[in-house]
Amino acid sequence: KAGVTQTPRYLIKTRGQQVTLSCSPISGHRSVSWYQQTPGQGLQFLFEYFSETQRNKGNFPGRFSGRQFSNSRSEMNVSTLELGDSALYLCASSLVAHSYNEQFFGPGTRLTVL
Amino acid sequence: AQSVTQLGSHVSVSEGALVLLRCNYSSSVPPYLFWYVQYPNQGLQLLLKYTSAATLVKGINGFEAEFKKSETSFHLTKPSAHMSDAAEYFCAVSDRPTSGSRLTFGEGTQLTVNP
Repeated sequence: KAGVTQTPRYLIKTRGQQVTLSCSPISGHRSVSWYQQTPGQGLQFLFEYFSETQRNKGNFPGRFSGRQFSNSRSEMNVSTLELGDSALYLCASSLVAHSYNEQFFGPGTRLTVL
Repeated sequence: AQSVTQLGSHVSVSEGALVLLRCNYSSSVPPYLFWYVQYPNQGLQLLLKYTSAATLVKGINGFEAEFKKSETSFHLTKPSAHMSDAAEYFCAVSDRPTSGSRLTFGEGTQLTVNP
């Protein structure tokens, strides 16, 4: 069974631009979560989607948004990029949106904002 | 709100020595606890998880962790370190019975294994 895939793997943008990252969960998984990883802040939860609905949202500004499609694939969008948005963005999928579920992580998208 | 503290951002051991990575949690309700490992340029891989079935949890690659409620701890151990264990390790907590898969991670511990 294929794992979680994220595209693109690397991305370079400039301040003020917007970016869209994509995540394809493991087949059959309906929950997708997004995390931001930076050296200073560590791993921080962005949001979670289940059955095309946002179930949880972390403490990030409205510039960060996401959505989930009927096939469970998810995208996250960051508008008006800032230098501090440079990070590794990790997507994780699980069967259902429950706290005991194991989450399977993708390799991440490395975003660099210049 | 739940939180996780990992004591020691860097741990160095010799190959064949005991690995002990410390994790303490804070949660208002009995939590679910997880240990993940991250190798360079990769995502996170689950090592083991505690969901109250047993306090001593065995995971992959010879790792295990013991849930101690009285100490609010969930330390990760491995009897004998291997060079391939060098990576960053994250402890995470998920509140229950909250719906959703949201994880709160510790700061991470970088494990170095010396030959």
